[in-house]
Parts: sequence; C-alpha cells; structure tokens
Amino acid sequence: DTAVSQTPKYLVTQMGNDKSIKCEQNLGHDTMYWYKQDSKKFLKIMFSYNNKELIINETVPNRFSPKSPDKAHLNLHINSLELGDSAVYFCASSWGQGGADTQYFGPGTRLTVL
Amino acid sequence: QKEVEQDPGPLSVPEGAIVSLNCTYSNSAFQYFMWYRQYSRKGPELLMYTYSSGNKEDGRFTAQVDKSSKYISLFIRDSQPSDSATYLCAMSRGDSNYQLIWGAGTKLIIKP
Repeated sequence: DTAVSQTPKYLVTQMGNDKSIKCEQNLGHDTMYWYKQDSKKFLKIMFSYNNKELIINETVPNRFSPKSPDKAHLNLHINSLELGDSAVYFCASSWGQGGADTQYFGPGTRLTVL
Repeated sequence: QKEVEQDPGPLSVPEGAIVSLNCTYSNSAFQYFMWYRQYSRKGPELLMYTYSSGNKEDGRFTAQVDKSSKYISLFIRDSQPSDSATYLCAMSRGDSNYQLIWGAGTKLIIKP
C-alpha cells in the first residue's frame, strides 16, 4: 500500500516540451506539497495546497502550474522545459498546513531535460 | 544568510562510531524541529521530531535542541552501514500556513 505515489518515476525530455507529473496520497491528509531537490540535495518548496486551495506559492517561474482536482491529488504541469528544470521533484502530504506536522514523501520523479 | 545552516559533508566514519550531525538556525521563533533521513533515490522520511528544547531518544538515535544557542543535533550510536544516507534537518514556527524550513542535508557514509 503506497502512501504517496508519483508518476512517472523517470522523465527524460527535450528543452521546450511540456510535461506533467502526477501525485496521489491515500493517507487522507489535507495538505499536499511539491518540492524540487537539486543535485546538491537541497529541498526547495514550490507549492502547497490545503483542501484543494493554494496556500504556499514560492518564487517559481510561472511555467510551473500546480493543479489539485481533489485533496488526494496534486499534479504539476511544466511548460517550455529548460535545462535548469532538471532535478528530482518530490510530492509530499501532511495532516495540517502549519509546518509542524510530519510530511510523508513520495518516491520522487527524476526529470532530465536535454 | 540562510535561515537554517547544515554542513553538506560528506561525513565518513567507521562502523560502530558515534555520529554527530548538526544544524544552526537564525529564527528564534522556531518551535518544531525534525530530522529526516533520505536514502539514495528515495524520498525523505521522518526520523526524529522534537518540540521546543530538550532531548529525545529513540533507540540508537538522540535528537537535541538548544534554543538558546539556536543549535540542533542528531546523535547516532553504534552506527551501522545501513545508516548511510543524507540527513536533513527541518524546522518550523508551527503557525498556520507557515512552511517547514529545510537544511541542505548532510551526507553520511558509514564504512564497514
């Protein structure tokens, strides 16, 4: 039983393409997140949704657009991919939205832009 | 200056050694302190969770928080090769809508 799942696990694409990453959690959590982890392992929050409502929107290029169709799903669409977008993208979820709750992470999507 | 500072390592120690991992922070409003462990090609998972100051022990792991010095530590006793991973500290004020602030992660290697 996978708590937080992401698809695809690997994504290799050309510059300029548009791609989507999907995330689903079966923990019944109210809050979901997208993080970007660069090659130096630094985790950077991108977005956070609570009950389908956007609550954190960090300084991220507007080529990145999250979408939460329901509180169990949070997808990430990326337009016009650039070389600098290459990273591992993690989805996570938690009960609350205040940063005091344990966050449960998915396995990550390794994006390579050529 | 980053809100949370953590030496990225790598830190390499022999099996059985006591490991000390540390983070410093600048925001005195932080109340919740966490250590996440991330194995290679996996997502981070919560290892230790501490509220405010003090120590917390769980098996071979001890988390310490010194709010007066704005310094947190994770100690691993009798380290094992299976402890080899990246350890990320994270902390928060805990306010509604306030995010978790992450350290850069320390890569730990335990040599058999």
